[in-house]
Amino acid sequence: AQKVTQAQTEISVVEKEDVTLDCVYETRDTTYYLFWYKQPPSGELVFLIRRNSFDEQNEISGRYSWNFQKSTSSFNFTITASQVVDSAVYFCALSEAGGAQKLVFGQGTRLTINP
Amino acid sequence: DAMVIQNPRYQVTQFGKPVTLSCSQTLNHNVMYWYQQKSSQAPKLLFHYYDKDFNNEADTPDNFQSRRPNTSFCFLDIRSPGLGDAAMYLCATSRRPVDTEQFFGPGTRLTVL
Repeated sequence: AQKVTQAQTEISVVEKEDVTLDCVYETRDTTYYLFWYKQPPSGELVFLIRRNSFDEQNEISGRYSWNFQKSTSSFNFTITASQVVDSAVYFCALSEAGGAQKLVFGQGTRLTINP
Repeated sequence: DAMVIQNPRYQVTQFGKPVTLSCSQTLNHNVMYWYQQKSSQAPKLLFHYYDKDFNNEADTPDNFQSRRPNTSFCFLDIRSPGLGDAAMYLCATSRRPVDTEQFFGPGTRLTVL
């Protein structure tokens, strides 16, 4: 069975600090996808990134970066120079590669950036 | 802009009174999903449609049903809402056979009195 664990329930930092959100996953599939979604207070889930299990390259997008390590089954997310607008709940998710791509979500990390 | 639209954004119903939530999409995606998200929890998949093919999750209560009359629309019917069904209901779509991310609507927050 697939499982995603986000051990950090809540994180609170001061603006401009760097913050890393941890994600550990379990799956028996050799091919799978990993995702990060952001859920601001408005409630809509906003897609941030998708990673194929065969692509272990780290990715940087502006202040966001992702570290995928298959050896430790981790897909961590770092926000550099955090801003108040980054405050949200962040979900890591895992899906099968085929079929209907059903998402299994972690429990989410509530990130609060204080001014 | 192409998007996923959910109506209404807020729905209040009474215990046991049937309620229907609506989702529409302009993305022309094959797959539509319904998730239930209770307070401070992760979204949980209820069911999905792959074109007209309905797929129910094993642990989705019988109280929840869905209809997809065409590609653009999908409905979530709760036949007899209980207090435990109060939640945010999220609709999402994805394009198949190309693997891609799921696009989510803004959600409908259901309150059961």
